[in-house]
Parts: sequence; structure tokens; C-alpha cells
Amino acid sequence: GAGVSQSPSNKVTEKGKDVELRCDPISGHTALYWYRQSLGQGLEFLIYFQGNSAPDKSGLPSDRFSAERTGGSVSTLTIQRTQQEDSAVYLCASSFRDRGGGTQYFGPGTRLTVL
Amino acid sequence: GDSVTQMEGPVTLSEEAFLTINCTYTATGYPSLFWYVQYPGEGLQLLLKATKADDKGSNKGFEATYRKETTSFHLEKGSVQVSDSAVYFCAQLDSNYQLIWGAGTKLIIKP
Repeated sequence: GAGVSQSPSNKVTEKGKDVELRCDPISGHTALYWYRQSLGQGLEFLIYFQGNSAPDKSGLPSDRFSAERTGGSVSTLTIQRTQQEDSAVYLCASSFRDRGGGTQYFGPGTRLTVL
Repeated sequence: GDSVTQMEGPVTLSEEAFLTINCTYTATGYPSLFWYVQYPGEGLQLLLKATKADDKGSNKGFEATYRKETTSFHLEKGSVQVSDSAVYFCAQLDSNYQLIWGAGTKLIIKP
């Protein structure tokens, strides 16, 4: 596609439920990133996929969070047993990594609200 | 470790004022530097970037010059508009191709 897309755009869930957030990166981009942005805050790095390498999971805040990237393209971020503090906008970005100066292109985000 | 520090906001200016948002970085090498902008209710967009010392990035009337002597990448615009109201993020690309972000600066332009 023309840009990074994310779905759903909004998700409201009850505490304790699992949620899945989806990211479709720009075609051909080898790197994919997940970030979290809480209200009025900066960006918090969560996880980074690059090609077929093992992902960098150093930013995941707890073992309730996991992500996978299938076929080097689409990625799913899963949050299990959601808590109210998980409420935030979850942003996905993709890049060529070592081409284009490493510029990351962002999707519109998924706003997650945990009641 | 590598880091990015940018001026705290909010920054409030009148329309047509001159804008400077300071950004400094610490790094072991010479990373690519970026400014991203987030308009209200929207996602992050790349505003401009510079990949080496003395490069000037520019877009939409905004400019930033990569200064290795002062490890800075300050964002400037000569005459701001109400439509420039947004949150601006400075970032550097580390050796693992990950962006290290500043905390963001909220800019409010009053008519």
C-alpha cells in the first residue's frame, strides 16, 4: 500500500481481556517497529523486527505483551489480560532500515482504551 | 548512552513569530537526525532530516542544521502559522537503526 496501515483505529476493551493490534507496513520495508504513546507523553519503544533476525523485544513492558511478524510483512501486537495502564495509542512504523537514512514511516495508530 | 534532549513545552507564540525549538543529542558517532511532527489527532509525520554534519534539512518553511560542534539540531521557522500548532519530536538514529526520541515539544500558535 501507499503507507503504513493499522487496525483497528480504536479499540475499547474490558480489563482482563486480550487484544490484538495489526500493522501492515509499507511494501518492501524490512524493518518494523512498535511504539506506545500515552496521553500527552512521548514515544515508548516496544519491539523492533528486522528481516529474518530475532526481534529486539527490549522495550516490551511485561510478559503480557508479545508481537509477531508473519512472512516479513504484517505484524500483530498482542496484549494479554489487559490492564487500565495499557490504555494508550499504539503506533507502528516501518523503514528500509539502512536505506533512506533510516527514516521511519508511521501508521495512524490504534487507540486502546481499557475500561 | 545515546540520548536526545529537547526543550520542554508548551511553547506558545503569536502568528508570524519566529520559532526555535532546541534539540541536542549525545552519541558516540554522527547519527542521522530527524524532526517529526504530530498534528492534533493525527499520526507522526517526518518533517525533515539531516544525515551528516552541516547538512540542513528543510520542509514547509521549517529548517534545522546538523551542528556536530554543539551536538545540536534546532528547529526553526521564520513565521509560524496557526496550522503549525502540533507536537514536535526530535530523534536520532542509533547504530542499531533504532530511533532515539526526545520527549516532544508542544507548540501552540495563537492568532
